[in-house]
Amino acid sequence: QKEVEQNSGPLSVPEGAIASLNCTYSDRVSQSFFWYRQYSGKSPELIMSIYSNGDKEDGRFTAQLNKASQYVSLLIRDSQPSDSATYLCAVFGAGSYQLTFGKGTKLSVIP
Amino acid sequence: DGGITQSPKYLFRKEGQNVTLSCEQNLNHDAMYWYRQDPGQGLRLIYYSQIVNDFQKGDIAEGYSVSREKKESFPLTVTSAQKNPTAFYLCASTQPSGTEKLFFGSGTQLSVL
Repeated sequence: QKEVEQNSGPLSVPEGAIASLNCTYSDRVSQSFFWYRQYSGKSPELIMSIYSNGDKEDGRFTAQLNKASQYVSLLIRDSQPSDSATYLCAVFGAGSYQLTFGKGTKLSVIP
Repeated sequence: DGGITQSPKYLFRKEGQNVTLSCEQNLNHDAMYWYRQDPGQGLRLIYYSQIVNDFQKGDIAEGYSVSREKKESFPLTVTSAQKNPTAFYLCASTQPSGTEKLFFGSGTQLSVL
């Protein structure tokens, strides 16, 4: 059973701080990694994708991937109250047609 | 505008009743998926389809059925065999390419009367 693990939180950070969200996965041959943001009662929205080791930056968001440690993270710089949401980590395995999701980390940004 | 349309937004099921959730996409995507989300939980895969007239069971297919007669449409039927159907149902699609970015519809909240 392929697993994706996230700390459920809630993670509380003050406005303007860096929020760090972490995710580990069990399938060593996983190829594609995604972070989705989900507001309460809404559908997930893709915010970052990463496919190779290292960092990928997009605006205030940075995704980090370490395949040797089977670890992927999301950093949110200059956190805003509007960033308050649940962040879902998702992993796509090689030879699979399924995207496996973690249970999500709830982030609260305190004004 | 291109996108994925789910309907209805809210649905109520009586005991013993089958209900069908609609999912339509105009993104010309080959692959479509149905996920279930319970409160405080991640998404669990019910069924997926990589191509018209073909679909596979996901992790929690029991009590559900699907069809894929057209590329644009992937309806999900929640049968009476699904004893705990209350959940948020999400349809998604992607174009299989190795990057597999899924795009989601707005979801259907199903509740039991």
